Amino acid sequence: GNSVTQMEGPVTLSEEAFLTINCTYTATGYPSLFWYVQYPGEGLQLLLKATKADDKGSNKGFEATYRKETTSFHLEKGSVQVSDSAVYFCALSDQTNAGKSTFGDGTTLTVKP
Amino acid sequence: EPEVTQTPSHQVTQMGQEVILRCVPISNHLYFYWYRQILGQKVEFLVSFYNNEISEKSEIFDDQFSVERPDGSNFTLKIRSTKLEDSAMYFCASSAAAFTYNEQFFGPGTRLTVL
Repeated sequence: GNSVTQMEGPVTLSEEAFLTINCTYTATGYPSLFWYVQYPGEGLQLLLKATKADDKGSNKGFEATYRKETTSFHLEKGSVQVSDSAVYFCALSDQTNAGKSTFGDGTTLTVKP
Repeated sequence: EPEVTQTPSHQVTQMGQEVILRCVPISNHLYFYWYRQILGQKVEFLVSFYNNEISEKSEIFDDQFSVERPDGSNFTLKIRSTKLEDSAMYFCASSAAAFTYNEQFFGPGTRLTVL
């Protein structure tokens, strides 16, 4: 079945540091890949997505590239802010599974001033 | 911008009671989902629903759970006899299609607390 593996957290960075959160996946078909962000006490917000190999998703300074050869979709940001503190979930959806999403465990990011 | 809405935002119930969680998906969407997130854990798929029937369900979705689309707008999740371990955040999602490039739009969630 499908699975998503995220780097273990939590991650603590100083403001303006470079962020990488690793994500690798296993899927039977040709999935779309997503990063969601969850701020404290809130729901899931789509951060970015990529629907095919070599696509780069980007939003709010975050980027991730769909790498089919390494089955990875690592999240990066060049300069994090305190307001980026949240839980980040990598996920995939695959039409062979009724379009359902499979999520990673989530990585908690704390950015200190 | 259209969005998925869920009510209530927080539900507290006694163990053994029935609860119904409500969702209003985006109006032109055809595929509907429920997920749950136990506090501090990952988001887990419960069930998908299309054309008035369940497309797929996970092992979590046992006989205590049911889903329904009672009218053209609402999508409900019923837990017949709640257990302590049902305490979680429940997210509803909808998508226009089940193709891989059709993203799912998530609601804000209902926090269910079973006492």
